[in-house]
Amino acid sequence: AQKITQTQPGMFVQEKEAVTLDCTYDTSDPSYGLFWYKQPSSGEMIFLIYQGSYDQQNATEGRYSLNFQKARKSANLVISASQLGDSAMYFCAMRGMNTGFQKLVFGTGTRLLVSP
Amino acid sequence: DGGITQSPKYLFRKEGQNVTLSCEQNLNHDAMYWYRQDPGQGLRLIYYSQIVNDFQKGDIAEGYSVSREKKESFPLTVTSAQKNPTAFYLCASSSGAASSYNEQFFGPGTRLTVL
Repeated sequence: AQKITQTQPGMFVQEKEAVTLDCTYDTSDPSYGLFWYKQPSSGEMIFLIYQGSYDQQNATEGRYSLNFQKARKSANLVISASQLGDSAMYFCAMRGMNTGFQKLVFGTGTRLLVSP
Repeated sequence: DGGITQSPKYLFRKEGQNVTLSCEQNLNHDAMYWYRQDPGQGLRLIYYSQIVNDFQKGDIAEGYSVSREKKESFPLTVTSAQKNPTAFYLCASSSGAASSYNEQFFGPGTRLTVL
């Protein structure tokens, strides 16, 4: 079974500062993918970044980067230069990459509030 | 613009009534999914469909039913058998095989409230 743990229910950061949102995972699959989604107050889930378990480099997408530490089973999201529009819920998710259907397993989320 | 639409945005239901939530995508995706989100929790999978005319139960399928008669459409019916249906429902789609990397695109969601 796969499990995602997000231990920070809420985080505060000042505009233009960097913030790290924690995510740890547990899986017995040798191959898996890790995803981060943003959910603004409107409710839609917005895909931010993906990291494959065999990727050698940490994933980056603009101001988002994923600090992937495989041995520690952690996949923290780093947002650089926070903006007011970054205020939202952030969900970490994972999926095994074996054959057959592999469901996406979500954590409980972290609410980020960016202050001016 | 390509994307996923869900309707209605808000839905109120009396106890004992069945209601159907609409989900349409024009992304030409093969796979579609329904999730339920409760306050303070992540998303839980209700049903998924990898191809037209085929669908499978997810983790919390009891009290729900779906159909997949067209590639673009994956409606979810919340039946009276669902004991606690008040929640936020999200539809998603993805391309390619579920075993390979492919991000899921989500619709804007439907907030269902049972009165």
